[in-house]
Amino acid sequence: DAKTTQPTSMDCAEGRAANLPCNHSTISGNEYVYWYRQIHSQGPQYIIHGLKNNETNEMASLIITEDRKSSTLILPHATLRDTAVYYCIVSRLGIIQGAQKLVFGQGTRLTINP
Amino acid sequence: DTGVSQDPRHKITKRGQNVTFRCDPISEHNRLYWYRQTLGQGPEFLTYFQNEAQLEKSRLLSDRFSAERPKGSFSTLEIQRTEQGDSAMYLCASSLLAGIRETQYFGPGTRLLVL
Repeated sequence: DAKTTQPTSMDCAEGRAANLPCNHSTISGNEYVYWYRQIHSQGPQYIIHGLKNNETNEMASLIITEDRKSSTLILPHATLRDTAVYYCIVSRLGIIQGAQKLVFGQGTRLTINP
Repeated sequence: DTGVSQDPRHKITKRGQNVTFRCDPISEHNRLYWYRQTLGQGPEFLTYFQNEAQLEKSRLLSDRFSAERPKGSFSTLEIQRTEQGDSAMYLCASSLLAGIRETQYFGPGTRLLVL
C-alpha cells in the first residue's frame, strides 16, 4: 500500500475550520484514501474515505486533488473534542481473498485551542 | 450503540503469565481484524478473520500469540508466557466486505501492561 506523509502537529482555534493535509504521491488507481482519528487512549475512529471525487459526511469533508497525489481533510467548525491524532491511510479496496491491512503512519496531532 | 466492544479494557499481568482478550464485532460483520499499538506509534496489523477462518497473520505475531473466532462471531486473542515487550494496546476492528467496499470500525482497545 502507498505511503503517506502528514505534518507531525497542527493547531487550530475553536470554531475555525481545521485543514489537515496529506501527501500520497505513489497512490495507485485501485487505492482509496481513508481518514481515521484517535482520541487519547481510545480506538481509532473512522471519519471518511474517497477515491477521486470530493466527499462530505456529517463529520468532515475530504478534498482529493485531480492527480490524486494529495488530499485535505476539513473539519468545518472545530471543537475542543476534535483534538486527536489524525491518520491519513491509503488502502486497496476490499479484496475477496485478502486482508485490508490498514497501515497507520505517525499521523498529525491536531490541537484545538479555546 | 452496537459498535465493536473489547474486554477487558485494561490488563496488568506479570511476565510469564498467559492473558486472553475478547472482541465482539459489529453484528453481521464478516471480517475481524486485530492490531497492536505501542506507545507513540500507529496501530500495526496482526491478523484477520473472514467469518471463522483466520486467513492471514503478520510476522509480528509470534508463536506465543494465538487468535480464534469460533462460529464467526466473537474473537479471542491469547498471549502465552507474556514478556514486557508485549505491553501495548490491542485493538480489534470489524468490517463488512460487500463487493469491494470495506470500512473497518475499531473497538476501544485492551491496554496490556506486563510487569
